[in-house]
Amino acid sequence: GQQVMQIPQYQHVQEGEDFTTYCNSSTTLSNIQWYKQRPGGHPVFLIQLVKSGEVKKQKRLTFQFGEAKKNSSLHITATQTTDVGTYFCAGRDSGGSNYKLTFGKGTLLTVNP
Amino acid sequence: GAVVSQHPSRVICKSGTSVKIECRSLDFQATTMFWYRQFPKQSLMLMATSNEGSKATYEQGVEKDKFLINHASLTLSTLTVTSAHPEDSSFYICSARPHTERIAKNIQYFGAGTRLSVL
Repeated sequence: GQQVMQIPQYQHVQEGEDFTTYCNSSTTLSNIQWYKQRPGGHPVFLIQLVKSGEVKKQKRLTFQFGEAKKNSSLHITATQTTDVGTYFCAGRDSGGSNYKLTFGKGTLLTVNP
Repeated sequence: GAVVSQHPSRVICKSGTSVKIECRSLDFQATTMFWYRQFPKQSLMLMATSNEGSKATYEQGVEKDKFLINHASLTLSTLTVTSAHPEDSSFYICSARPHTERIAKNIQYFGAGTRLSVL
């Protein structure tokens, strides 16, 4: 079945440093979504990428979708303590149905003030 | 916005009892609802997909008789953990995919989760 791998598992940065998490799928994706889960909270939708090579920005966050639609990345510039949480990528297989998402294991980001 | 309400947020029960968790989409109709299980510091594992008016589709390894799912309307799905045991203790999260074009259909909106502890 489809597998979505995400690295790193953990990342600790000093406030102001940049952060990147990477996501790779074993199959071609129709789209990829990113979610953020704060400690003790539930996943909150951040963004969806659909097109090959797509790049989207949300303030300090930059999301990329690979040309082959099998990988994606989330980059945060100048991290802040409010960025703390686990970032999950979730992919929908291009041959899949029912809009089922396969989640990566997530990257836990901690920020030292 | 798209709000999904999940209830209860926390439940503690004795081994052998059944627990029902409700997932409601408050301001949209949900064609499909998903039930996930999350262990501490781990990812979300999809348990089952439920479509309104039809039987749920369970992922491999998930016992359908143990985790009963009912999706009676476009705004409500329930998960019942039957004869719960300590190993069923976990964080259960539902999500809903909108039916309407008013909000993006491909996105899943998550409930706040239910933390189940079985003694």
